Amino acid sequence: DAGVIQSPRHEVTEMGQEVTLRCKPISGHDYLFWYRQTMMRGLELLIYFNNNVPIDDSGMPEDRFSAKMPNASFSTLKIQPSEPRDSAVYFCASQGGYEQYFGPGTRLTVT
Amino acid sequence: AQKVTQAQTEISVVEKEDVTLDCVYETRDTTYYLFWYKQPPSGELVFLIRRNSFDEQNEISGRYSWNFQKSTSSFNFTITASQVVDSAVYFCALSRRPQAGTALIFGKGTTLSVSS
Repeated sequence: DAGVIQSPRHEVTEMGQEVTLRCKPISGHDYLFWYRQTMMRGLELLIYFNNNVPIDDSGMPEDRFSAKMPNASFSTLKIQPSEPRDSAVYFCASQGGYEQYFGPGTRLTVT
Repeated sequence: AQKVTQAQTEISVVEKEDVTLDCVYETRDTTYYLFWYKQPPSGELVFLIRRNSFDEQNEISGRYSWNFQKSTSSFNFTITASQVVDSAVYFCALSRRPQAGTALIFGKGTTLSVSS
């Protein structure tokens, strides 16, 4: 079985640009999580979905961030407009039982 | 509030040494789950183990072992006869009800460097 797939793996963009990160969860998993990893704050939850419905978005930093899950096999995290402080590794994880399985992450650099 | 503390920021050992990574957690829940994840230099997060709060049995998997002690709120991870491939960042994490999809609360991680 394929694991969690994220694209792109690396993204470099200029401040003010829109950035879209993509995630394909493991088939059959009904939970999907977006986490952000930075040196200062470590790994922190941004938002998670259950059966495509957003359950908790309290970790989303501000209105510049939005996430969608239009179907069971696809989710996006969008940042508009991007800022240098958004530079981080963004992980998507899916869960079908007790464990969360993580994708390889997207390393975002905003200059 | 829930919190996970990994006091060791970095550990360096020589191959074949045993090493223990400490994890202390805080929670008011009576039911909770603890996890360890490994993040190798390639960057992905790899699930290693899950433990629930009612199961204090130690677990061994090859060179890896875990010691869960509710009395001290600790869930420590020991690697026996370490190898260079064990070099990674190791994260301890806590969850209230993972079967209901609650988020993982991660510690800051311990960077383990194993030299040959």
